[in-house]
Amino acid sequence: NAGVTQTPKFQVLKTGQSMTLQCAQDMNHNSMYWYRQDPGMGLRLIYYSASEGTTDKGEVPNGYNVSRLNKREFSLRLESAAPSQTSVYFCAIDRGTEAFFGQGTRLTVV
Amino acid sequence: EDQVTQSPEALRLQEGESSSLNCSYTVSGLRGLFWYRQDPGKGPEFLFTLYSAGEEKEKERLKATLTKKESFLHITAPKPEDSATYLCAVQATYNQGGKLIFGQGTELSVKP
Repeated sequence: NAGVTQTPKFQVLKTGQSMTLQCAQDMNHNSMYWYRQDPGMGLRLIYYSASEGTTDKGEVPNGYNVSRLNKREFSLRLESAAPSQTSVYFCAIDRGTEAFFGQGTRLTVV
Repeated sequence: EDQVTQSPEALRLQEGESSSLNCSYTVSGLRGLFWYRQDPGKGPEFLFTLYSAGEEKEKERLKATLTKKESFLHITAPKPEDSATYLCAVQATYNQGGKLIFGQGTELSVKP
């Protein structure tokens, strides 16, 4: 989806490894979000950022940290990956009338 | 507890066979109800926002309606390209911005 870019698109990690998922937007919106999507569970909010320099926990924040260093970028970090964090991760921005999603990062933790 | 339930989980239709998807919701105060379409390996794509009971919105073969307890996504004379997972989400009045509560989705398959 144009406007929200997520990297990487795919990643395989070993249990205990760390990694950072990157999200960048070129749509100049303040609010950014990280969701995870699991089969049968729908999308669940991990963390969000209402503006540069602020972050708040969502529904399932345990095991994750986030960083919003500037308006464009919002990163999600897994410090010590666990198999339960195997999921598809989506970054989204709030366009004022609806949320706009990136294409996702498919993460597998073995 | 705020929650969203979609039914059925999966729906198989023949091309041209109209049907409806259901989204039941419980929320302390509704700011908006959203429908998204998601194709395999892609992010959700916005379709509609509904704000108040009685509101309807249409786009091509899709029509979304809203009551105080549920929303329906009506698909008229579907085509194979309508095959996708359809997601429903609500935004509560106490939530700012894009904080959404999603249902688990309905996977629609339309056969030619």
